[in-house]
Amino acid sequence: EAQVTQNPRYLITVTGKKLTVTCSQNMNHEYMSWYRQDPGLGLRQIYYSMNVEATDKGDVPEGYKVSRKEKRNFPLILESPSPNQTSLYFCASSSLTSSGEQFFGPGTRLTVL
Amino acid sequence: QKEVEQNSGPLSVPEGAIASLNCTYSDRVSQSFFWYRQYSGKSPELIMSIYSNGDKEDGRFTAQLNKASQYVSLLIRDSQPSDSATYLCAVSLYNNNDMRFGAGTRLTVKP
Repeated sequence: EAQVTQNPRYLITVTGKKLTVTCSQNMNHEYMSWYRQDPGLGLRQIYYSMNVEATDKGDVPEGYKVSRKEKRNFPLILESPSPNQTSLYFCASSSLTSSGEQFFGPGTRLTVL
Repeated sequence: QKEVEQNSGPLSVPEGAIASLNCTYSDRVSQSFFWYRQYSGKSPELIMSIYSNGDKEDGRFTAQLNKASQYVSLLIRDSQPSDSATYLCAVSLYNNNDMRFGAGTRLTVKP
């Protein structure tokens, strides 16, 4: 089954404790992206990657890091989480030769205390 | 000015009615337009895409695009309670890396 997976789905942590949210897709997509979703603000892009070893900042990259060492994986790293990073996070992927449809993972709800 | 604007709602329609969802965008050179549906606590899923002016129909859904007015809409005919969700409008310039989402319109279809 074609899918995007994220782990963990739910996470409660404390300020300053490094964490990683994993994202993996099995569709051989070149493009992967991370979004955060907050009430009233919609989906805002954090980082994106056009292919392996090619990452770039989105609209709200501060406090986040990413890497793309393999085509299927695109982890999101919070080196020192803060309460303002409490949010719902989505990973998405798409083929650069497609019509633009992005496939979303199930989401990770993060709470930073 | 937000790049993609939608009425946040909630929009409430009775079962069987037509639901009309609207979206405006600020970048005149936008090329691709999408409507995603998001159920509460779930991830967005694509329901319609449109690239040229006019109407595009898919079952009970019709997307309408007017690039001159920088306006895109989604009509849902014969609305069902299962259509109750938040609808996200997304706009892209050329490819995926510049996709912008609106904040979404929450639709409730009452039986």
